Amino acid sequence: SAVISQKPSRDICQRGTSLTIQCQVDSQVTMMFWYRQQPGQSLTLIATANQGSEATYESGFVIDKFPISRPNLTFSTLTVSNMSPEDSSIYLCSAQGSGNTEAFFGQGTRLTVV
Amino acid sequence: AQSVTQLDSQVPVFEEAPVELRCNYSSSVSVYLFWYVQYPNQGLQLLLKYLSGSTLVKGINGFEAEFNKSQTSFHLRKPSVHISDTAEYFCAVLPNDYKLSFGAGTTVTVRA
Repeated sequence: SAVISQKPSRDICQRGTSLTIQCQVDSQVTMMFWYRQQPGQSLTLIATANQGSEATYESGFVIDKFPISRPNLTFSTLTVSNMSPEDSSIYLCSAQGSGNTEAFFGQGTRLTVV
Repeated sequence: AQSVTQLDSQVPVFEEAPVELRCNYSSSVSVYLFWYVQYPNQGLQLLLKYLSGSTLVKGINGFEAEFNKSQTSFHLRKPSVHISDTAEYFCAVLPNDYKLSFGAGTTVTVRA
């Protein structure tokens, strides 16, 4: 199994600013992902964080709004840029375990944009 | 493409009663199936998973699920719930591109 530490756990931000969320895994993993969970809704995949190269974004998400870094096999960051109240959500980091048959999740970052 | 349908958005249940959460999926390829639980203000925790083999899968906290290939279903059950089972439950499928697709979630509220 993998233990994922995500920080900050929550934040309240002013509109127009940016927030960077960090995700640290306690072991090397091949695949890392970032999800968004809007209030009262399910999880939507934002992007796959690729080690050493640009992230792969899902439809509706763009790099300028959600830049992602993954400098090594245990760490990734997601930045929410130029925030608006519509960005208020829980953002979750996920990592696939060995054999890619299980996904582990961080505790999430609860973001409120005012 | 894959899709996951959780047929019940909310399930109220009395303590010590059984509960079943229904999940149907559609996929053109073989998938792995999962149930996750999200307690209030927490991340997701894996309850159980089906990869292959026996269609009845047992998970943590007394939960089990049955994979039915012909009906493309993966329903979650628990014979006797506790107050602490109050949470959001998500069914998910993992196809061979390794990207999880989640259902909309089922809110389980256990009442004394």
